[in-house]
Amino acid sequence: GEDVEQSLFLSVREGDSSVINCTYTDSSSTYLYWYKQEPGAGLQLLTYIFSNMDMKQDQRLTVLLNKKDKHLSLRIADTQTGDSAIYFCAEIETSGTYKYIFGTGTRLKVLA
Amino acid sequence: NAGVTQTPKFRILKIGQSMTLQCAQDMNHNYMYWYRQDPGMGLKLIYYSVGAGITDKGEVPNGYNVSRSTTEDFPLRLELAAPSQTSVYFCASSPRQGEESPLHFGNGTRLTVT
Repeated sequence: GEDVEQSLFLSVREGDSSVINCTYTDSSSTYLYWYKQEPGAGLQLLTYIFSNMDMKQDQRLTVLLNKKDKHLSLRIADTQTGDSAIYFCAEIETSGTYKYIFGTGTRLKVLA
Repeated sequence: NAGVTQTPKFRILKIGQSMTLQCAQDMNHNYMYWYRQDPGMGLKLIYYSVGAGITDKGEVPNGYNVSRSTTEDFPLRLELAAPSQTSVYFCASSPRQGEESPLHFGNGTRLTVT
């Protein structure tokens, strides 16, 4: 079956860059997503990348995609305490069901 | 615009009790989903629906039931609560089924079964 892997924890100092990594298995996924979950809330779409792109930049966020290695990363520049949250990467099953497959989530803690 | 609304926010059940987790969306989305979130495990799909009157099992459907009588509502039923069902439950919706259609989530229901 499909699987999406992430490391569970990341701790950075305020003002530093954060890099959250993800590996996925479905090489035919056309879109890959990053969702953010703040404490006590549901997941919110943060950004996504189309599979024919290597990189997408959106203000402080940079998404890098390495299709050969099935590796996705999210870089947050100038990390702030408000960025503390759980970050999930997700792909979509393309076998016909179009079900989302979520990673385990990476808990980012930003130290002041 | 309310989006996806889940009730209740918290609930404690005794083993063997039953309850219904409510989910409603006001975006006229056809697709609705129930996930459970356990620490370090990510989100697991319980059930989903592609439209009113149509539901299907996800990865972890055992112990749960759903119905979809209207486009707006997608309740999740636990008939005989077990400690293994202690989790945070999220309902989500999307306007269509496809890769360019991200999910809209509710704020979750935290359920404890003791």
